[in-house]
Amino acid sequence: NAGVMQNPRHLVRRRGQEARLRCSPMKGHSHVYWYRQLPEEGLKFMVYLQKENIIDESGMPKERFSAEFPKEGPSILRIQQVVRGDSAAYFCASSLRDRDTQYFGPGTRLTVL
Amino acid sequence: DAKTTQPTSMDCAEGRAANLPCNHSTISGNEYVYWYRQIHSQGPQYIIHGLKNNETNEMASLIITEDRKSSTLILPHATLRDTAVYYCIVRVESNTGKLIFGQGTTLQVKP
Repeated sequence: NAGVMQNPRHLVRRRGQEARLRCSPMKGHSHVYWYRQLPEEGLKFMVYLQKENIIDESGMPKERFSAEFPKEGPSILRIQQVVRGDSAAYFCASSLRDRDTQYFGPGTRLTVL
Repeated sequence: DAKTTQPTSMDCAEGRAANLPCNHSTISGNEYVYWYRQIHSQGPQYIIHGLKNNETNEMASLIITEDRKSSTLILPHATLRDTAVYYCIVRVESNTGKLIFGQGTTLQVKP
């Protein structure tokens, strides 16, 4: 059973460009969480989604960030007009049910030049 | 949110048991204690979780005190590959299941 998959693993963008990060949950999991880890800092929750629904986006920056988890396909975290401060590791986790154990992917490391 | 307190760092000799403590004195009755670890900036790895009873799996054991105000993660025979940051997390049921990570304990396993 494949684990949580994230791609790309590394992403380089120039300031002002868009970044799209993808997360494929474990097979059978319909709950996805996104976390961000800034350099030398801890992991911070960003957003929790179920299929076609955003359940909790209390950790999402108010501007430029959005997330979706469509009925078909991976969950997408989208960052518009990236700035240097967006450089971080972005981790996705999935769970089978609400409030169940979360399993993390390997992360996407975003570097903004 | 129920907060956790962990030592910043610990050392352990290879082959010995590593005992990682965690205080969670404000934990509520229906809140689970979860342990994850992060090896060198990889994705966090789930280790174990528990509510009231002690738990054991192939990776570790979790000992929760009777009053549930603290717990200890035990790695029975630490190896160099167990060097990582270990996070003790109390998952708040009212928080839609999101995990609140603290600073964790950096465990250094030494040969």
